[in-house]
Amino acid sequence: QVTLRESGPALVKPTQTLTLTCTFSGFSLSTSGMCVSWIRQPPGKALEWLALIDWDDDKYYSTSLKTRLTISKDTSKNQVVLTMTNMDPVDTATYYCARIRQELQGDAFDIWGQGTMVTVSS
Amino acid sequence: QTVVTQEPSLTVSPGGTVTLTCASSTGAVTSGYYPNWFQQKPGQAPRALIYSTSNKHSWTPARFSGSLLGGKAALTLSGVQPEDEAEYYCLLYYGGAYVFGTGTKVTVL
Repeated sequence: QVTLRESGPALVKPTQTLTLTCTFSGFSLSTSGMCVSWIRQPPGKALEWLALIDWDDDKYYSTSLKTRLTISKDTSKNQVVLTMTNMDPVDTATYYCARIRQELQGDAFDIWGQGTMVTVSS
Repeated sequence: QTVVTQEPSLTVSPGGTVTLTCASSTGAVTSGYYPNWFQQKPGQAPRALIYSTSNKHSWTPARFSGSLLGGKAALTLSGVQPEDEAEYYCLLYYGGAYVFGTGTKVTVL
């Protein structure tokens, strides 16, 4: 059974750096074709894709946020970490991680974590 | 800035059929955009329904189907059930980056 769980601070101050951890089980990020992605959703708004890391340690970022984001993985711990610098109140959102299977016919976002709510406020 | 547009809201009767679409500001959506579709109910994480245009996950009900329609990605719900009332999002691939659609609120009435 594949599961993912997000963890991190519920509250951060403006200008601070946010660090979120996605801890997963049921698959390995060293397996070819496996990826983990981060997605966020401000309250009452649409989903926004943030970043992805694949089994080969290739990293991809949202065009609009790439200067603020860093994604990394610790395969031995089954964890993926996302850092976002210079946090602002507009970054208040639920942050999700999700698994992606890269298949011959394309990428399948299949299993999602339950999300973690992050509020940016002084 | 790439924008992926969906209908803001659609209403369907129980047992009816409704088609949601997903359009790209860059032009026609093709299979190379690997469209994914997700369902999200209030207070819940999104649930994956469709990947790569028309492929279903093992848990996807048979009444959900994906396709390409008139230059857009499409999700069709046939024989709609009350529990299908939810927000639906598409996701498109742009060569190393992904963009979610604006979302469609489906009401079953």
